[in-house]
Amino acid sequence: GAGVSQSPSNKVTEKGKDVELRCDPISGHTALYWYRQSLGQGLEFLIYFQGNSAPDKSGLPSDRFSAERTGGSVSTLTIQRTQQEDSAVYLCASSPRDSDSAKNIQYFGAGTRLSVL
Amino acid sequence: GQQVMQIPQYQHVQEGEDFTTYCNSSTTLSNIQWYKQRPGGHPVFLIQLVKSGEVKKQKRLTFQFGEAKKNSSLHITATQTTDVGTYFCAGRGNYQLIWGAGTKLIIKP
Repeated sequence: GAGVSQSPSNKVTEKGKDVELRCDPISGHTALYWYRQSLGQGLEFLIYFQGNSAPDKSGLPSDRFSAERTGGSVSTLTIQRTQQEDSAVYLCASSPRDSDSAKNIQYFGAGTRLSVL
Repeated sequence: GQQVMQIPQYQHVQEGEDFTTYCNSSTTLSNIQWYKQRPGGHPVFLIQLVKSGEVKKQKRLTFQFGEAKKNSSLHITATQTTDVGTYFCAGRGNYQLIWGAGTKLIIKP
């Protein structure tokens, strides 16, 4: 079946503008994660959604970052008033069911490369 | 908080040499996963280890989970150019996956 889909694949924006990044998880996956990866670096956890539970926002770096997940499926990560340090690849991953350790493999999308000029 | 330390950050090898990356957790893990990220790509799941002392092999790759379930290693025998990339471990703590910083495998020209 289809994998995790992210759009756009590339986004160039000017400093101070708002951007929206979209993630369409694998159908039926209840867990969804957003990560940020700067060039040559590891994965920085941003936010986690599990079913209808309140999201874990502990990784969001500032109040300019927010995310929502509508209907338990598609998620949108919004960055307001973008700064140059926001430039990175934003990766989304989904997982079948986070509470079951046998099924918590994360499937990643190809990412959105954000460049803030 | 829970942390997973992964070393080394980089490893340069000649093609045909072996490669090893290590992960150590500050707390006991319920399981550990390994992912590979090719240059320009996204992380792709390789394997999950659950049992204490577990060893799993995938062709030239050998994965180990420590007896105390606090450390893990990935060993690649006789590296090939297709092995190039960054290898991440991710340990399952109390709540969610805790990612190591990754080890980048570089094949010397």
